[in-house]
Amino acid sequence: GAVVSQHPSWVICKSGTSVKIECRSLDFQATTMFWYRQFPKQSLMLMATSNEGSKATYEQGVEKDKFLINHASLTLSTLTVTSAHPEDSSFYICSARSGGEFQPQHFGDGTRLSIL
Amino acid sequence: GQNIDQPTEMTATEGAIVQINCTYQTSGFNGLFWYQQHAGEAPTFLSYNVLDGLEEKGRFSSFLSRSKGYSYLLLKELQMKDSASYLCAVKDSNYQLIWGAGTKLIIKP
Repeated sequence: GAVVSQHPSWVICKSGTSVKIECRSLDFQATTMFWYRQFPKQSLMLMATSNEGSKATYEQGVEKDKFLINHASLTLSTLTVTSAHPEDSSFYICSARSGGEFQPQHFGDGTRLSIL
Repeated sequence: GQNIDQPTEMTATEGAIVQINCTYQTSGFNGLFWYQQHAGEAPTFLSYNVLDGLEEKGRFSSFLSRSKGYSYLLLKELQMKDSASYLCAVKDSNYQLIWGAGTKLIIKP
């Protein structure tokens, strides 16, 4: 149980392109979803937290207009990297949690984004 | 400030036992999580401790001492597939999850 699917797993695109990443909870309802990015050999960095039907809460230093998050349903959240540039290249990981704060987060497989 | 400390890298032998320590200083405490992350993959949930003591789950056990701000993850009967990074994460008083940098565990035959 508690499977989170994230697509695509790998994206290579030109600078200036917008990229959408989907995160789906397959067998549970995710009241809260999280978006992280991770640089090589570093820990996870939380970008934003989203609750279904409401606006995402972004961490300090994360541009809302750059990283658009939509949590339209209890099983789907999307992250759109708008007008991506090489410095946006990273490993983006979503996670989902059902129920309250003491429940663990379950992670998708991550999306490796490479901007040329 | 909030801080999670864990060793950067550890090496152990297949079949042996290894203990990965994690110390934390956070504003409040609402639980501690251990995750496993293989290279290039997303983290996988291993364990959750909110009360003092040992939680055992198969070959993996996790221990917590809230008074000492300390936890460890114990891996027994090590297998080559256990080679991964192990992330310690603490939920603070605001229910924010504070992540450690992870411990890279290398298993040698």
